[in-house]
Amino acid sequence: AQSVTQLGSHVSVSEGALVLLRCNYSSSVPPYLFWYVQYPNQGLQLLLKYTSAATLVKGINGFEAEFKKSETSFHLTKPSAHMSDAAEYFCAVRFNSGNTPLVFGKGTRLSVIA
Amino acid sequence: NAGVTQTPKFQVLKTGQSMTLQCAQDMNHEYMSWYRQDPGMGLRLIHYSVGAGITDQGEVPNGYNVSRSTTEDFPLRLLSAAPSQTSVYFCATATGGQPQHFGDGTRLSIL
Repeated sequence: AQSVTQLGSHVSVSEGALVLLRCNYSSSVPPYLFWYVQYPNQGLQLLLKYTSAATLVKGINGFEAEFKKSETSFHLTKPSAHMSDAAEYFCAVRFNSGNTPLVFGKGTRLSVIA
Repeated sequence: NAGVTQTPKFQVLKTGQSMTLQCAQDMNHEYMSWYRQDPGMGLRLIHYSVGAGITDQGEVPNGYNVSRSTTEDFPLRLLSAAPSQTSVYFCATATGGQPQHFGDGTRLSIL
């Protein structure tokens, strides 16, 4: 079955430290990959997307993600965490082209400590 | 341009009651979908539609009905609410395989 795995339901970092949120997917064919962010009591906002161009994708708010086919991974990073980055982050995968459903990981809650 | 509008934002129901969650979009997106979000479970797909008159089931369709008579609207119906349907519901739309746009959600409690 097609699945998306986010390692760590909760990650805590100090302000200014590196943020690393992990995402792995199950597919032998490179899918369409997304990261979304959800702030408290809000909907989901797109951070970035991978659609088979460059393997390193830059998104909003200083986040970026690297697609590694051999590892079936799409980890999200940010060099220096800010208090405003505290939120829940979801990795999502569309395993087929066109308007087809997304499969979401269970999410990782990021806490930033002053 | 309102994007994706979900109503109501909050609702409390009693077990056995019925209700409809509304989702409307003004972006002319052909794809619309409903998810439920539960703690530690991420978002799980309930139903989706690739165009007016076409709907399909997602991962957790039991207890929910949908219809798509227009491009703009994709209502989600609970025919007989159960406590297990307490959740936050999100509607999302997309076009041309682009990333999905999400509404702000409906928080539903069933007593």
